[in-house]
Amino acid sequence: DTGVSQNPRHKITKRGQNVTFRCDPISEHNRLYWYRQTLGQGPEFLTYFQNEAQLEKSRLLSDRFSAERPKGSFSTLEIQRTEQGDSAMYLCASGGRTSGMEQYFGPGTRLTVT
Amino acid sequence: GDSVTQMEGPVTLSEEAFLTINCTYTATGYPSLFWYVQYPGEGLQLLLKATKADDKGSNKGFEATYRKETTSFHLEKGSVQVSDSAVYFCALANTGGFKTIFGAGTRLFVKA
Repeated sequence: DTGVSQNPRHKITKRGQNVTFRCDPISEHNRLYWYRQTLGQGPEFLTYFQNEAQLEKSRLLSDRFSAERPKGSFSTLEIQRTEQGDSAMYLCASGGRTSGMEQYFGPGTRLTVT
Repeated sequence: GDSVTQMEGPVTLSEEAFLTINCTYTATGYPSLFWYVQYPGEGLQLLLKATKADDKGSNKGFEATYRKETTSFHLEKGSVQVSDSAVYFCALANTGGFKTIFGAGTRLFVKA
């Protein structure tokens, strides 16, 4: 068990550019979540996968955001035409069939849009 | 919709003091309740959980009891240490666990 990993850890991009983040969950976990966290706030739910199926998306996830989890393993989160308001920490978490509803978080990807 | 409200920080205590961080929730159905902790420079990690009314979650000297009548899940520790300095998040997950709602977090500073 190597934990949840996220890449890159930091990303600085110019407004209008596209960015993609990757999350590798704990290998046997079938649930995968994406959250956004801004300074002084708790994580805000973005989307949830069970295996490869995206079962829920937050209204926060605008048309510029898309997430995938091909083959139910790693996941990617893409933000198109980034805006300064997208600057935040993007967190990935995973959970297994036997771990109840608890989640194991990765270290996050900090996005700065200039 | 579902929501979690926790006391604002920062909370500053001296070592060995008693800690309470209040958390109340609004939810339909019967959610599971969690406390997560984020130590400086680290990711969020689960501290404790309770899945039904009157359950008590405990870990590392911290405790919280699921009180359905008051919709609360207050975090307590009898004697805090400097190493407990962190941000604490109360959270709920409703049936199916598709979506977890987090509070805004409470920062705790413990002075030696």
